[in-house]
Amino acid sequence: EPEVTQTPSHQVTQMGQEVILRCVPISNHLYFYWYRQILGQKVEFLVSFYNNEISEKSEIFDDQFSVERPDGSNFTLKIRSTKLEDSAMYFCASELAGYEQYFGPGTRLTVT
Amino acid sequence: AQSVTQPDIHITVSEGASLELRCNYSYGATPYLFWYVQSPGQGLQLLLKYFSGDTLVQGIKGFEAEFKRSQSSFNLRKPSVHWSDAAEYFCAVLIEGAQKLVFGQGTRLTINP
Repeated sequence: EPEVTQTPSHQVTQMGQEVILRCVPISNHLYFYWYRQILGQKVEFLVSFYNNEISEKSEIFDDQFSVERPDGSNFTLKIRSTKLEDSAMYFCASELAGYEQYFGPGTRLTVT
Repeated sequence: AQSVTQPDIHITVSEGASLELRCNYSYGATPYLFWYVQSPGQGLQLLLKYFSGDTLVQGIKGFEAEFKRSQSSFNLRKPSVHWSDAAEYFCAVLIEGAQKLVFGQGTRLTINP
């Protein structure tokens, strides 16, 4: 069964560094998402992406964040200058159509 | 504002016992509702969804959920739990147009042997 994959599974970085989280969505899917879950808190929406552009973003998704689908298979989330409060589990999801989002296993980002 | 509440942070049941996990939502329009399960080290797996029609929906792994508009609820049930059901369960509502999911806090399920 096709699945969403994410790399790395755990990323440790120092405050102020740039990180790129990578996702490979299911191959024929059209909609792509990033969510995050700070430890002990709810899973929260960051951004949705369709037809090579952002279709919706949350207030969390400020200028420090960007997304890209560079080669038609990968979907990346970049954080330009990480802060301690960016430490969280980041989930990628993809959707063909019909509102069913399929999630990857997540990348745990630790900012020290 | 749209929101989802899962009142129970942690539930423990014995193997073979029945299970009900509660979910209440706040959403102005007809909701699209979901239950996801997350096992340790795994992503969020879709258990079932409600879009319209029959208010009792069946999902994978023997789970079902009932949509009750009058109570703004979408509770998840299973008649007899198995040790492998131990996981975190998330209820979510889709915000149409924005195409984003709003999640509840999650309920961690522990199974006693």
